[in-house]
Amino acid sequence: AQSVTQLGSHVSVSEGALVLLRCNYSSSVPPYLFWYVQYPNQGLQLLLKYTSAATLVKGINGFEAEFKKSETSFHLTKPSAHMSDAAEYFCAVSEGFDDMRFGAGTRLTVKP
Amino acid sequence: DSGVTQTPKHLITATGQRVTLRCSPRSGDLSVYWYQQSLDQGLQFLIQYYNGEERAKGNILERFSAQQFPDLHSELNLSSLELGDSALYFCASSSHDRDNEQFFGPGTRLTVL
Repeated sequence: AQSVTQLGSHVSVSEGALVLLRCNYSSSVPPYLFWYVQYPNQGLQLLLKYTSAATLVKGINGFEAEFKKSETSFHLTKPSAHMSDAAEYFCAVSEGFDDMRFGAGTRLTVKP
Repeated sequence: DSGVTQTPKHLITATGQRVTLRCSPRSGDLSVYWYQQSLDQGLQFLIQYYNGEERAKGNILERFSAQQFPDLHSELNLSSLELGDSALYFCASSSHDRDNEQFFGPGTRLTVL
């Protein structure tokens, strides 16, 4: 079965700095990959998804992620962090239809 | 707004009690998923229903059960509640498209005292 590993349960960056949240996946078939964001006291919201079209995927709020098959990675980046980016971020992998697995999440803190 | 609604938003109850959480999926979505999120366990998949039938089971306790009704809304029943059941419970729905993108509701925060 597919799985996801998010490296780093907590990441702290300064406002204006690069955001890099790491996600590695394991899948026996070409996967569908997702990044979700959860703001405090809210549900998960889709940031972006990879569905085998372009390997560089652009999402909402200036985030993007690159699918690298050779590295089995789908890292999330944003060139310049904003205070409003502080949240928990979840990477998820699906092999199609029913089965989606979530990573443990990475809490992003943005320092002024 | 994801289009998924959950009620109630907050629920406070005592150990040993039984509660029912309700979820209405996005219009047209046939699949409903239930998740539990707690500080120590993270986001745990509990169970999935597709068009009224149980489709997949995750880490769901025997004290918990769920069902999906003909109008596609779903209920999660938690019984013999323990302190450790205190958590956020999320419902998500999907249209069962190939990529299985899920849309999450705002959650129900359950506190067991």
